[in-house]
Amino acid sequence: DTGVSQNPRHKITKRGQNVTFRCDPISEHNRLYWYRQTLGQGPEFLTYFQNEAQLEKSRLLSDRFSAERPKGSFSTLEIQRTEQGDSAMYLCASSPRGDSRETQYFGPGTRLLVL
Amino acid sequence: DQQVKQNSPSLSVQEGRISILNCDYTNSMFDYFLWYKKYPAEGPTFLISISSIKDKNEDGRFTVFLNKSAKHLSLHIVPSQPGDSAVYFCAANTYSGAGSYQLTFGKGTKLSVIP
Repeated sequence: DTGVSQNPRHKITKRGQNVTFRCDPISEHNRLYWYRQTLGQGPEFLTYFQNEAQLEKSRLLSDRFSAERPKGSFSTLEIQRTEQGDSAMYLCASSPRGDSRETQYFGPGTRLLVL
Repeated sequence: DQQVKQNSPSLSVQEGRISILNCDYTNSMFDYFLWYKKYPAEGPTFLISISSIKDKNEDGRFTVFLNKSAKHLSLHIVPSQPGDSAVYFCAANTYSGAGSYQLTFGKGTKLSVIP
C-alpha cells in the first residue's frame, strides 16, 4: 500500500492525558499537512511541513499542540493535557513537489475521543 | 467567516440519474478547486479538480464546472450509482505564504443514491 498511513486509527483518552499520532506520507511527497475535522464540518488546516521545516501553523493549533517531522519523512502530532474539545478526527495529507495546483492525498485519519 | 460554502447538507438521487452538488466561494484569490469524497470512518479521497483558468473538467462520470464570475462551482455525476453515496467536500487551494499552500473546505454534502 503506497498511500498515506496514520496510526493509531482510534484513540480514547481521559482529559488531561497526552496523546501522540503518527503519519507516514506517500514516500516521494515532500509536503505534509495536518487537518482536524469535527462533526458536521469540513477538515480545517492545522499545520504544514515542507521536508522537515514546519512552515505554517494555524491559529487553531494552540500551545498544547506540537507537530514534528524530524527527518522529512513521517510526522507526529502531539496534544498535551487533552480537553474534551480536542475530540475530533485528525487527518494527515501529503503532496508532491509542485505548485499551487497540486492535489493533497489524505490518510484514513485518527479519531480521538477525550472523556 | 466561511470562505467555501456548500449550502445543501444532503441530496438524494435515484440511481441512473444525474447528481449535481454545488459549492460557492468568497475569496477571489482561490485558483484551484478540488472535490473530495468521504466515506464514514475514512479519510477524504480525491475525486476531481479544476484550475481557475478552465471552466470545465471531465473524468469519466464526473464533471466539474467553474463559474468564476459567480464564484460558483458544481460537480455533476452521471449516471449516479449506489456506490457514489458518500459525503462530498468542495475545497479550494490557496498560497498562504512561505511556500505554504492550504486547502479550505466546505462543510460537505451527503449524497444518497437510491437504487
